[in-house]
Amino acid sequence: DAGVIQSPRHEVTEMGQEVTLRCKPISGHNSLFWYRQTMMRGLELLIYFNNNVPIDDSGMPEDRFSAKMPNASFSTLKIQPSEPRDSAVYFCASSGRNEQYFGPGTRLTVT
Amino acid sequence: QQQVKQSPQSLIVQKGGISIINCAYENTAFDYFPWYQQFPGKGPALLIAIRPDVSEKKEGRFTISFNKSAKQFSLHIMDSQPGDSATYFCAATSGGGADGLTFGKGTHLIIQP
Repeated sequence: DAGVIQSPRHEVTEMGQEVTLRCKPISGHNSLFWYRQTMMRGLELLIYFNNNVPIDDSGMPEDRFSAKMPNASFSTLKIQPSEPRDSAVYFCASSGRNEQYFGPGTRLTVT
Repeated sequence: QQQVKQSPQSLIVQKGGISIINCAYENTAFDYFPWYQQFPGKGPALLIAIRPDVSEKKEGRFTISFNKSAKQFSLHIMDSQPGDSATYFCAATSGGGADGLTFGKGTHLIIQP
């Protein structure tokens, strides 16, 4: 099993630009989660989907953030426009029942 | 509001010793408590998890102790090895584990040879 796949692994962009992070969950898993990790705030849940439907997006910090899951094997997290305070590592995780498995993360730097 | 409090922030243990990390939670709806291990530049990896209907769960050198009345749980790493040096996160969730995780702030563990 390839595990959760995220791309890109690193992203450097300028303030104001649009950023799209991608995630491919483990095949057969029906829940997908997006988390953000920073030194100040630690690991925090942004949004999660169950069977491709958004269940809880209360962690999405602002309207600049949006997430989609068009099918069971793909999800995107978009930031538009990006700001320096969005710099963080963004993790995608998937779950089949209760155990969440994390991807390697995307390190985003907004200058 | 920090719903899961983790301590200590950092911990140094001699090789062969026992590493103990503690967590406390506030939300009584939480019903699934996993621990994750994270190495630099990697994603968190699930170590072991427990549900509140048991007081202890052991997998190899890793043991979770759970105290439902006190709303506390802890991770014990027996015979700690240098390869165990990492950051450890406790977490909690509801819905039997189906909901998103609320994480503690993490413990940076160093095992000295």
